[in-house]
Amino acid sequence: EVQLVESGGGLVQPGGSLRLSCTASGFNYRDYGMNWVRQTPGKGLEWLAYLSTRSDNIYYADSVKGRFIISRDNTKNSLFLQMNSLRVDDTAVYYCARGDPDFWGQGTLVTVSP
Amino acid sequence: QAVLTQPSSLSASPGASVRLTCTLRSDMKLTTYKIYWYQQRPGSPPRFLLKYKSDSDKGQGSGVPSRFAGSKDASANAGILLISGLQSEDEADYYCMIWHSSVSLFGAGTRLTVL
Repeated sequence: EVQLVESGGGLVQPGGSLRLSCTASGFNYRDYGMNWVRQTPGKGLEWLAYLSTRSDNIYYADSVKGRFIISRDNTKNSLFLQMNSLRVDDTAVYYCARGDPDFWGQGTLVTVSP
Repeated sequence: QAVLTQPSSLSASPGASVRLTCTLRSDMKLTTYKIYWYQQRPGSPPRFLLKYKSDSDKGQGSGVPSRFAGSKDASANAGILLISGLQSEDEADYYCMIWHSSVSLFGAGTRLTVL
């Protein structure tokens, strides 16, 4: 069974940092590019970043470029999102998503508040 | 003008067919893009339904029934998600998405209500 499990969310102050993790199982992780996508409470989906299988292609949305860093560890079937200089409007549920994407985790909530 | 425009809401009766549209910005060529469709029920993550570029380049999500089908309307410059035999469980938000210049872009979503 394909599973993606996010962790690392929580409450952080504006200007702070947080590192999200996503652990994959049930498929050959190293064969898939991976994404981070977020959803503001009650609102739509916003794609944030994509990382190719060997980390040689990385793309970011303009809204997070220069603040967020996507990375992966294929030996641990893991995906990461380092979030720096967080703002109140970064408050959202953060999902990791496989490939196209064709499969999503359950998400982890990040709240940025004074 | 938004890159992808979806109607904010639609409603239909059980058993009916409903056509959800995803209109590309007028300067974007529909034939170039593969349109992805996702379903999101309250409290759940998005679920991949299907992708459609042409009849020879398309794909159905794992376990997604065939009553969910993709197509395009060239005259409207729009991707289409057709749901036939509507069921109460189809009540959800539906999002379209494209990849454009290595960036993924989502529509704002359509809330489908099954009356």
